[in-house]
Amino acid sequence: KQEVTQIPAALSVPEGENLVLNCSFTDSAIYNLQWFRQDPGKGLTSLLLIQSSQREQTSGRLNASLDKSSGRSTLYIAASQPGDSATYLCAVRGRDDKIIFGKGTRLHILP
Amino acid sequence: DGGITQSPKYLFRKEGQNVTLSCEQNLNHDAMYWYRQDPGQGLRLIYYSQIVNDFQKGDIAEGYSVSREKKESFPLTVTSAQKNPTAFYLCASSSHYGASGELFFGEGSRLTVL
Repeated sequence: KQEVTQIPAALSVPEGENLVLNCSFTDSAIYNLQWFRQDPGKGLTSLLLIQSSQREQTSGRLNASLDKSSGRSTLYIAASQPGDSATYLCAVRGRDDKIIFGKGTRLHILP
Repeated sequence: DGGITQSPKYLFRKEGQNVTLSCEQNLNHDAMYWYRQDPGQGLRLIYYSQIVNDFQKGDIAEGYSVSREKKESFPLTVTSAQKNPTAFYLCASSSHYGASGELFFGEGSRLTVL
């Protein structure tokens, strides 16, 4: 059974710092890994999708990497801003099309 | 505009009643998913469907039922057998079952059992 873990559970950093969020998964037989952002009481917004054959994806200040063999992904946020404050979730899509989520990292950027 | 529509946004139910949450997408996606989210928690998979007239149980299917009669619709029924139904329910869809499509979400339905 696929299990997805996100560390840390919560993180507070001053504005302007670079930061890294971690995601690990137990079964490396995946189609893709996706990072999402969730604001309180809202649905999820897709940030980055990494296919199983890719090593990284970039969008603006965000960079996500994938090491499928070790079951790890990181989300790097450069030059953090107060508007980045949200919960960040990662999800892996298995070969059975099940998409399993981690519990998320609550990020707070201090002005 | 293309997207996923969930209704109702807020729903109150008395204990012992069944309730059906609607999820409609106009993205022409094959796969659809239902998740449950409890406060401070991640998302847990209830059911998913890769194609019309077929669906699979997720990790917490007990007390829930679904149907997939049309490609664009995937309603979720929360039955009276669900012991703790108060939660935030999220519907999602993606293209190409068995491949590597991006997952998109609706805005969610918040169910409160009184």
